[in-house]
Amino acid sequence: RKEVEQDPGPFNVPEGATVAFNCTYSNSASQSFFWYRQDCRKEPKLLMSVYSSGNEDGRFTAQLNRASQYISLLIRDSKLSDSATYLCVVEGNTGKLIFGQGTTLQVKP
Amino acid sequence: NAGVTQTPKFRILKIGQSMTLQCAQDMNHNYMYWYRQDPGMGLKLIYYSVGAGITDKGEVPNGYNVSRSTTEDFPLRLELAAPSQTSVYFCATTPLGVHQPQHFGDGTRLSIL
Repeated sequence: RKEVEQDPGPFNVPEGATVAFNCTYSNSASQSFFWYRQDCRKEPKLLMSVYSSGNEDGRFTAQLNRASQYISLLIRDSKLSDSATYLCVVEGNTGKLIFGQGTTLQVKP
Repeated sequence: NAGVTQTPKFRILKIGQSMTLQCAQDMNHNYMYWYRQDPGMGLKLIYYSVGAGITDKGEVPNGYNVSRSTTEDFPLRLELAAPSQTSVYFCATTPLGVHQPQHFGDGTRLSIL
Protein backbone atom coordinates (compact mmCIF):
# COMPACT_ATOMS: atom_id res chain seq x y z
CA ARG A 1 0.00 0.00 0.00
CA LYS A 2 1.35 3.45 -0.87
CA GLU A 3 1.94 5.76 2.07
CA VAL A 4 -0.30 8.42 0.53
CA GLU A 5 -2.83 7.81 -2.25
CA GLN A 6 -4.99 10.18 -4.23
CA ASP A 7 -7.36 9.72 -7.14
CA PRO A 8 -5.44 11.48 -9.94
CA GLY A 9 -8.65 12.51 -11.73
CA PRO A 10 -9.08 14.68 -13.66
CA PHE A 11 -12.21 15.99 -12.03
CA ASN A 12 -14.12 18.08 -14.57
CA VAL A 13 -16.80 20.24 -12.97
CA PRO A 14 -18.85 23.27 -14.02
CA GLU A 15 -18.41 26.62 -12.37
CA GLY A 16 -20.38 26.83 -9.16
CA ALA A 17 -20.21 23.12 -8.46
CA THR A 18 -19.10 21.54 -5.21
CA VAL A 19 -16.29 19.03 -5.52
CA ALA A 20 -14.55 16.84 -2.96
CA PHE A 21 -11.23 15.02 -3.01
CA ASN A 22 -10.10 12.28 -0.69
CA CYS A 23 -6.62 11.18 0.22
CA THR A 24 -5.83 7.96 2.08
CA TYR A 25 -2.71 7.41 4.15
CA SER A 26 -1.07 4.38 5.71
CA ASN A 27 0.69 5.74 8.80
CA SER A 28 -1.85 5.56 11.61
CA ALA A 29 0.49 7.64 13.81
CA SER A 30 0.54 10.60 11.41
CA GLN A 31 0.11 13.95 13.11
CA SER A 32 0.66 16.36 10.24
CA PHE A 33 -1.68 16.83 7.30
CA PHE A 34 -1.77 19.47 4.60
CA TRP A 35 -3.35 20.30 1.28
CA TYR A 36 -1.21 22.06 -1.32
CA ARG A 37 -2.21 23.56 -4.62
CA GLN A 38 0.03 23.30 -7.67
CA ASP A 39 -0.61 25.19 -10.88
CA CYS A 40 0.76 23.85 -14.14
CA ARG A 41 4.57 24.06 -14.22
CA LYS A 42 4.65 25.97 -10.93
CA GLU A 43 5.78 25.20 -7.41
CA PRO A 44 3.38 23.74 -4.82
CA LYS A 45 1.82 26.30 -2.51
CA LEU A 46 0.22 25.61 0.85
CA LEU A 47 -3.56 25.75 0.61
CA MET A 48 -4.40 24.77 4.16
CA SER A 49 -3.37 22.63 7.07
CA VAL A 50 -5.80 19.95 8.21
CA TYR A 51 -6.76 19.83 11.87
CA SER A 52 -8.37 17.02 13.81
CA SER A 53 -11.61 18.92 14.28
CA GLY A 54 -11.80 19.95 10.64
CA ASN A 55 -11.24 23.47 9.41
CA GLU A 56 -12.59 25.89 6.88
CA ASP A 57 -11.08 28.71 4.88
CA GLY A 58 -13.65 30.50 2.77
CA ARG A 59 -14.93 28.07 0.15
CA PHE A 60 -12.50 25.35 1.22
CA THR A 61 -13.12 22.81 3.96
CA ALA A 62 -10.62 20.21 5.10
CA GLN A 63 -11.46 17.20 7.25
CA LEU A 64 -9.54 14.39 8.87
CA ASN A 65 -10.93 10.92 9.49
CA ARG A 66 -8.42 9.06 11.66
CA ALA A 67 -10.50 5.90 11.95
CA SER A 68 -10.51 5.38 8.20
CA GLN A 69 -7.18 7.11 7.67
CA TYR A 70 -8.10 9.67 5.10
CA ILE A 71 -8.28 13.41 4.71
CA SER A 72 -10.63 15.29 2.45
CA LEU A 73 -10.84 18.65 0.74
CA LEU A 74 -14.19 20.15 -0.19
CA ILE A 75 -14.41 23.10 -2.56
CA ARG A 76 -17.74 24.92 -2.75
CA ASP A 77 -18.88 27.25 -5.51
CA SER A 78 -15.98 26.31 -7.79
CA LYS A 79 -14.31 29.08 -9.74
CA LEU A 80 -12.37 28.85 -12.99
CA SER A 81 -9.32 29.92 -10.98
CA ASP A 82 -9.61 26.80 -8.82
CA SER A 83 -8.37 24.72 -11.76
CA ALA A 84 -5.13 23.19 -10.55
CA THR A 85 -3.64 20.03 -9.09
CA TYR A 86 -4.29 19.49 -5.39
CA LEU A 87 -1.60 17.64 -3.47
CA CYS A 88 -2.25 15.80 -0.26
CA VAL A 89 0.70 15.81 2.18
CA VAL A 90 0.90 13.53 5.20
CA GLU A 91 3.54 12.59 7.75
CA GLY A 92 4.96 9.27 6.59
CA ASN A 93 6.32 6.21 8.36
CA THR A 94 9.80 7.75 8.66
CA GLY A 95 8.45 10.95 10.19
CA LYS A 96 8.95 13.03 7.08
CA LEU A 97 6.20 14.50 4.95
CA ILE A 98 5.03 12.43 1.99
CA PHE A 99 3.35 14.00 -1.03
CA GLY A 100 0.53 12.31 -2.88
CA GLN A 101 0.61 12.32 -6.67
CA GLY A 102 -2.09 14.96 -6.80
CA THR A 103 -5.66 15.28 -8.01
CA THR A 104 -6.29 17.45 -11.05
CA LEU A 105 -9.32 19.71 -11.06
CA GLN A 106 -10.65 21.40 -14.19
CA VAL A 107 -13.45 23.89 -13.67
CA LYS A 108 -15.36 24.60 -16.88
CA PRO A 109 -17.40 27.72 -17.70
CA ASN B 1 12.64 39.46 0.51
CA ALA B 2 13.02 36.79 -2.16
CA GLY B 3 12.14 33.72 -0.05
CA VAL B 4 13.58 30.65 -1.78
CA THR B 5 15.57 31.24 -4.95
CA GLN B 6 16.54 28.43 -7.30
CA THR B 7 18.97 28.70 -10.18
CA PRO B 8 19.04 27.90 -13.01
CA LYS B 9 15.35 27.74 -13.98
CA PHE B 10 16.00 25.53 -17.01
CA ARG B 11 18.95 23.41 -18.08
CA ILE B 12 19.72 20.76 -20.68
CA LEU B 13 22.56 18.39 -19.92
CA LYS B 14 24.22 15.64 -21.86
CA ILE B 15 24.49 12.17 -20.36
CA GLY B 16 27.53 11.97 -18.10
CA GLN B 17 27.84 15.71 -17.49
CA SER B 18 27.72 17.14 -14.03
CA MET B 19 26.04 20.22 -12.62
CA THR B 20 24.98 21.91 -9.43
CA LEU B 21 21.47 23.16 -8.79
CA GLN B 22 21.53 26.16 -6.50
CA CYS B 23 19.06 26.93 -3.73
CA ALA B 24 19.29 30.01 -1.55
CA GLN B 25 16.90 31.27 1.12
CA ASP B 26 16.76 34.53 3.01
CA MET B 27 14.20 33.52 5.65
CA ASN B 28 16.74 32.15 8.14
CA HIS B 29 14.98 28.77 8.08
CA ASN B 30 16.90 25.88 9.58
CA TYR B 31 15.40 23.09 7.50
CA MET B 32 15.92 22.76 3.76
CA TYR B 33 14.83 20.07 1.32
CA TRP B 34 15.37 18.94 -2.23
CA TYR B 35 12.56 17.21 -4.11
CA ARG B 36 12.14 15.92 -7.61
CA GLN B 37 8.81 15.74 -9.41
CA ASP B 38 8.33 13.56 -12.44
CA PRO B 39 5.35 14.17 -14.77
CA GLY B 40 2.04 13.21 -13.17
CA MET B 41 3.73 12.21 -9.94
CA GLY B 42 4.06 13.59 -6.46
CA LEU B 43 7.23 15.04 -5.04
CA LYS B 44 9.95 12.65 -3.94
CA LEU B 45 12.41 13.74 -1.26
CA ILE B 46 16.04 13.52 -2.39
CA TYR B 47 17.97 15.01 0.53
CA TYR B 48 17.25 17.31 3.42
CA SER B 49 19.16 19.31 5.99
CA VAL B 50 18.22 20.31 9.53
CA GLY B 51 20.90 22.96 9.76
CA ALA B 52 24.31 24.05 8.57
CA GLY B 53 26.71 21.11 8.42
CA ILE B 54 23.99 18.46 8.70
CA THR B 55 22.45 16.60 5.77
CA ASP B 56 20.53 13.36 5.43
CA LYS B 57 19.16 11.14 2.69
CA GLY B 58 15.56 11.16 1.64
CA GLU B 59 13.63 8.65 -0.39
CA VAL B 60 15.59 8.89 -3.69
CA PRO B 61 19.19 10.02 -2.97
CA ASN B 62 21.06 7.87 -5.49
CA GLY B 63 22.94 9.90 -8.09
CA TYR B 64 22.86 13.11 -6.04
CA ASN B 65 24.97 14.85 -3.43
CA VAL B 66 24.33 17.85 -1.21
CA SER B 67 26.19 20.12 1.15
CA ARG B 68 25.06 22.72 3.68
CA SER B 69 27.91 24.97 4.66
CA THR B 70 25.67 27.93 5.50
CA THR B 71 22.08 28.39 6.68
CA GLU B 72 21.23 30.17 3.45
CA ASP B 73 22.49 27.77 0.78
CA PHE B 74 21.72 24.14 -0.01
CA PRO B 75 23.17 23.13 -3.41
CA LEU B 76 22.29 19.82 -5.08
CA ARG B 77 24.94 18.19 -7.23
CA LEU B 78 24.50 15.69 -10.04
CA GLU B 79 27.83 14.03 -10.75
CA LEU B 80 27.07 11.82 -13.76
CA ALA B 81 23.81 12.90 -15.32
CA ALA B 82 21.52 10.11 -16.51
CA PRO B 83 18.25 10.32 -18.50
CA SER B 84 16.38 9.04 -15.43
CA GLN B 85 17.27 12.31 -13.69
CA THR B 86 15.21 14.34 -16.14
CA SER B 87 12.73 16.00 -13.83
CA VAL B 88 11.63 19.19 -12.14
CA TYR B 89 13.62 19.88 -8.99
CA PHE B 90 12.16 21.88 -6.12
CA CYS B 91 13.95 23.25 -3.11
CA ALA B 92 11.89 23.95 0.02
CA THR B 93 12.36 25.24 3.55
CA THR B 94 10.69 25.11 6.95
CA PRO B 95 11.64 27.21 9.97
CA LEU B 96 11.92 24.63 12.71
CA GLY B 97 10.87 21.09 11.81
CA VAL B 98 10.06 18.49 9.19
CA HIS B 99 6.36 18.51 10.13
CA GLN B 100 5.78 22.14 9.28
CA PRO B 101 4.32 23.22 5.94
CA GLN B 102 7.07 23.87 3.43
CA HIS B 103 7.83 26.98 1.43
CA PHE B 104 9.01 26.16 -2.10
CA GLY B 105 11.24 27.76 -4.67
CA ASP B 106 9.89 27.96 -8.20
CA GLY B 107 11.84 24.97 -9.45
CA THR B 108 14.58 23.95 -11.89
CA ARG B 109 13.53 22.09 -15.02
CA LEU B 110 16.30 19.71 -15.99
CA SER B 111 16.47 17.61 -19.16
CA ILE B 112 19.20 15.07 -19.76
CA LEU B 113 19.69 13.93 -23.32
